[in-house]
Amino acid sequence: DAGVTQSPTHLIKTRGQQVTLRCSPKSGHDTVSWYQQALGQGPQFIFQYYEEEERQRGNFPDRFSGHQFPNYSSELNVNALLLGDSALYLCASSLASTVVYEQYFGPGTRLTVT
Amino acid sequence: SQKIEQNSEALNIQEGKTATLTCNYTNYSPAYLQWYRQDPGRGPVFLLLIRENEKEKRKERLKVTFDTTLKQSLFHITASQPADSATYLCALVDSGTYKYIFGTGTRLKVLA
Repeated sequence: DAGVTQSPTHLIKTRGQQVTLRCSPKSGHDTVSWYQQALGQGPQFIFQYYEEEERQRGNFPDRFSGHQFPNYSSELNVNALLLGDSALYLCASSLASTVVYEQYFGPGTRLTVT
Repeated sequence: SQKIEQNSEALNIQEGKTATLTCNYTNYSPAYLQWYRQDPGRGPVFLLLIRENEKEKRKERLKVTFDTTLKQSLFHITASQPADSATYLCALVDSGTYKYIFGTGTRLKVLA
């Protein structure tokens, strides 16, 4: 039973460029959440996708967008990259039908913006 | 303003002792609170969940308490081992939005 997988593992981009990060949820899970974790900080909630729609959003600008596919996998897109976007981007999956749900995190994508 | 705070200083304890980590929150109404473990360069791993109407939860050497009057959760690791060394994150799920809000984490080091 595969856990949450993310790709790529590491990424280096230049300021102003665009980036796409990918996530495959744990088998059987239908909800994907994305988080940004700066060094020494806790994860910050970006948004959550369920049934291919954005269900909730944190305090992130519109430069951050996402998508969920019919197989429940998800993408996070960041446009016009800033130096401050350098962080570990975490994907977490869960099952929406459970009243209280656990989140299973992937290993993350380390994004460096130069 | 809304805040969730963990002791940002690292906690060093001797092997075999009980480690106690604190999570305090302000201006939130948690539906429940979770604790995660995170190793360097890895994603957080879920450990325990406690609901707003529960006082205590246990799992093996782990114990979590939740005091909604004090707005505080305590996380205990008994008989600590060097392998318990990691950063521990608390996260509350707000009852209004059901969004996850994480603390900054406390780094625990268990000395052999």
